[in-house]
Amino acid sequence: AQSVTQLDSHVSVSEGTPVLLRCNYSSSYSPSLFWYVQHPNKGLQLLLKYTSAATLVKGINGFEAEFKKSETSFHLTKPSAHMSDAAEYFCVVRDHYNQGGKLIFGQGTELSVKP
Amino acid sequence: GAGVSQTPSNKVTEKGKYVELRCDPISGHTALYWYRQSLGQGPEFLIYFQGTGAADDSGLPNDRFFAVRPEGSVSTLKIQRTERGDSAVYLCASSLPGLAGDTYNEQFFGPGTRLTVL
Repeated sequence: AQSVTQLDSHVSVSEGTPVLLRCNYSSSYSPSLFWYVQHPNKGLQLLLKYTSAATLVKGINGFEAEFKKSETSFHLTKPSAHMSDAAEYFCVVRDHYNQGGKLIFGQGTELSVKP
Repeated sequence: GAGVSQTPSNKVTEKGKYVELRCDPISGHTALYWYRQSLGQGPEFLIYFQGTGAADDSGLPNDRFFAVRPEGSVSTLKIQRTERGDSAVYLCASSLPGLAGDTYNEQFFGPGTRLTVL
């Protein structure tokens, strides 16, 4: 079975400092991995995706993530946090085997950004 | 163009009542998914439609939950005899055909329906 584990339920950073949101995955095969962001009262938005191409993936709003097979990790980073980055972030693995490719979400990490 | 829309945005009901939640996908998207997000949790898969048929309903928690998509566009999630534990945000997503393997079509999410069962 495929799964993801987000290692921190809440991360707090100061504006202008780096962001690191940690995610480990479990998958028998090379997975398809994603990070989604959910702002309050807004829909889920895709930040970036890894689908077996380059291991360093760049997304929107300056976010990037690196796929590390040896560590089974897919951590999300951003060099400098902005107040507008405050939101809930989900690490997601796609069900590779079944028709439809349903998404399997982690528990989420709430990012707070202090002025 | 228009994104995925869901109605109502909020629904408050009493325990034991029947509710229907509607999802209007992006035009041309043949794949439609329902997920449920409980408070403080990530979304969990409920059911997947390809066209009119439910291709994967393995996430439906019990037989009180049912979903239809009769014309391959709008979908309705139906919950009978609601329980307090059904309170959650119900999310709908749509995409071009959902496929197994390496090909991935991005799922676009609606804003959700917040269901509260008193």
